[in-house]
Amino acid sequence: DQQVKQNSPSLSVQEGRISILNCDYTNSMFDYFLWYKKYPAEGPTFLISISSIKDKNEDGRFTVFLNKSAKHLSLHIVPSQPGDSAVYFCAASIPRGYQKVTFGTGTKLQVIP
Amino acid sequence: ETGVTQSPTHLIKTRGQQVTLRCSSQSGHNTVSWYQQALGQGPQFIFQYYREEENGRGNFPPRFSGLQFPNYSSELNVNALELDDSALYLCASSIDGDYGYTFGSGTRLTVV
Repeated sequence: DQQVKQNSPSLSVQEGRISILNCDYTNSMFDYFLWYKKYPAEGPTFLISISSIKDKNEDGRFTVFLNKSAKHLSLHIVPSQPGDSAVYFCAASIPRGYQKVTFGTGTKLQVIP
Repeated sequence: ETGVTQSPTHLIKTRGQQVTLRCSSQSGHNTVSWYQQALGQGPQFIFQYYREEENGRGNFPPRFSGLQFPNYSSELNVNALELDDSALYLCASSIDGDYGYTFGSGTRLTVV
């Protein structure tokens, strides 16, 4: 049962344009959402997060939007840069005594110079 | 400040064997989590250790076990290896309550 879904396995965007990566979830108990970026031969790197009490969080070129009623979140990268080319994982967590994070299957972003 | 280091980077084992993977946490991090990432999938939570105690576990059988040491380094042990155990095993460390894991580069395990 895939509770966090990233339906687009890949995305290509021109340098300087906006990249929008989407993520859907099924478990309404999730209350914290994260995005990780992964380069080949490296572990995932934490990028940005959002709590369920917010609908938007910004960090420089990266903005995450959360629509709880639709169980949907998205990551916007503006402007996109070639160094942003990587696999992006959406992840979510339920409040509990430990940090179990449920990951999506990832979207491979290619930013074309 | 060093990050999370994992060893070995690659490993080939035969079905039925046992394997131990190792992880050194980032300095100051007291929580270690282990994840399995199969090809084309996202990481799946195996278990988490906090101050040397297992405090959370995912849907993995008991033949997956672990340890955390006083210096917060950790081991993942897998007994009776199966072909489906072939995957990238990721270790992640954090400070209690912090979801922003620091991941290692992983150990690629191949079971033949």
